[in-house]
Amino acid sequence: DAGVIQSPRHEVTEMGQEVTLRCKPISGHDYLFWYRQTMMRGLELLIYFNNNVPIDDSGMPEDRFSAKMPNASFSTLKIQPSEPRDSAVYFCASSLGKQGFIGTEAFFGQGTRLTVV
Amino acid sequence: SQQGEEDPQALSIQEGENATMNCSYKTSINNLQWYRQNSGRGLVHLILIRSNEREKHSGRLRVTLDTSKKSSSLLITASRAADTASYFCAINQGGKLIFGQGTELSVKP
Repeated sequence: DAGVIQSPRHEVTEMGQEVTLRCKPISGHDYLFWYRQTMMRGLELLIYFNNNVPIDDSGMPEDRFSAKMPNASFSTLKIQPSEPRDSAVYFCASSLGKQGFIGTEAFFGQGTRLTVV
Repeated sequence: SQQGEEDPQALSIQEGENATMNCSYKTSINNLQWYRQNSGRGLVHLILIRSNEREKHSGRLRVTLDTSKKSSSLLITASRAADTASYFCAINQGGKLIFGQGTELSVKP
């Protein structure tokens, strides 16, 4: 497997524009996580899915952020409209839950570096 | 805060020395994990310790877990310059994976 794949790797956009980040998790993994990393706030969990269903979106900063997982092999994180304070590295990660043991190691993508100017 | 706390925030040692990083948390956990991040890269899983385990080893890594104190430590023995990176603990709460702020380790040759 090629691991968790994120696209694009870098995104520069103007304030007010819509931004869509994409993630392909490892095949067979049933957990998918979206994180945001900044120097000031560290690595923040935005939302996570289990079997394509959003379980906890309490970390999503505001209504401008939305995430979907239409199937087991694809997820998107959308920011509309984008603002300069959204500039960060966004990571997607996936993991495999096992019967009777919730939560194994998470595999991270290379991240999308978002710059909103 | 949804994050655990790690200390120290930064650690600088000489090659060959041991490095110890600590992690504290506030809630019950299923397991605790340690990750490494090289500059500009994604996080890489190092080791996982379950809530009913007290110590675990993997190569030069040793992890301890004290659930009564809600704390964990990561020891890297005989450090190498290539160990220079940021190290994060992550607590697993029923599938939800929450990371600490990390410790920036610098190993000087």
